[in-house]
Amino acid sequence: AQRVTQPEKLLSVFKGAPVELKCNYSYSGSPELFWYVQYSRQRLQLLLRHISRESIKGFTADLNKGETSFHLKKPFAQEEDSAMYYCALRETSGSRLTFGEGTQLTVNP
Amino acid sequence: DGGITQSPKYLFRKEGQNVTLSCEQNLNHDAMYWYRQDPGQGLRLIYYSQIVNDFQKGDIAEGYSVSREKKESFPLTVTSAQKNPTAFYLCASSIAGDAETQYFGPGTRLLVL
Repeated sequence: AQRVTQPEKLLSVFKGAPVELKCNYSYSGSPELFWYVQYSRQRLQLLLRHISRESIKGFTADLNKGETSFHLKKPFAQEEDSAMYYCALRETSGSRLTFGEGTQLTVNP
Repeated sequence: DGGITQSPKYLFRKEGQNVTLSCEQNLNHDAMYWYRQDPGQGLRLIYYSQIVNDFQKGDIAEGYSVSREKKESFPLTVTSAQKNPTAFYLCASSIAGDAETQYFGPGTRLLVL
């Protein structure tokens, strides 16, 4: 069965510092990985997907199949990045997602 | 915000009582999902449906039931068999087979009296 693990429940950094939110997965097939974000009082929304290799709001994430990881990175954190971040894996069939436990990121001024 | 709505925002349940959470979407999505969100445990899938009149159990279906009689509606019933129902419940919808494009509702917080 597939599994997504986010080892850090809470992460606190100062504005301008680099930030990395860790995500590890286990899945026997070919995974598709995503990052979702939930800002305070807003709905959960898709942030980025690994297949598009895009940078959204300065965040990037690289799928490392050897280490089964999909860490989310940003070189210079901003206060508005404070939110709950979830890593998710989509099965090959595409019919459902498996989410990690989430990491609450706080960017201090 | 529109597209997918959940009601009520807060719901109270007495011991031994079944309660039903509403989820409606006007996005013409075939697929709908129910998640439970607990601190430190992330989102866990309860049930999902890819098409009307069909649904599958997720990872924590015990103590819950659903129906999918209409494309736009996917109500979740929390039965008395669910021993720890206090949680935040999120509904989502997406194009069938395109689970990553899920649009999430605002959620319902269920509290046990």
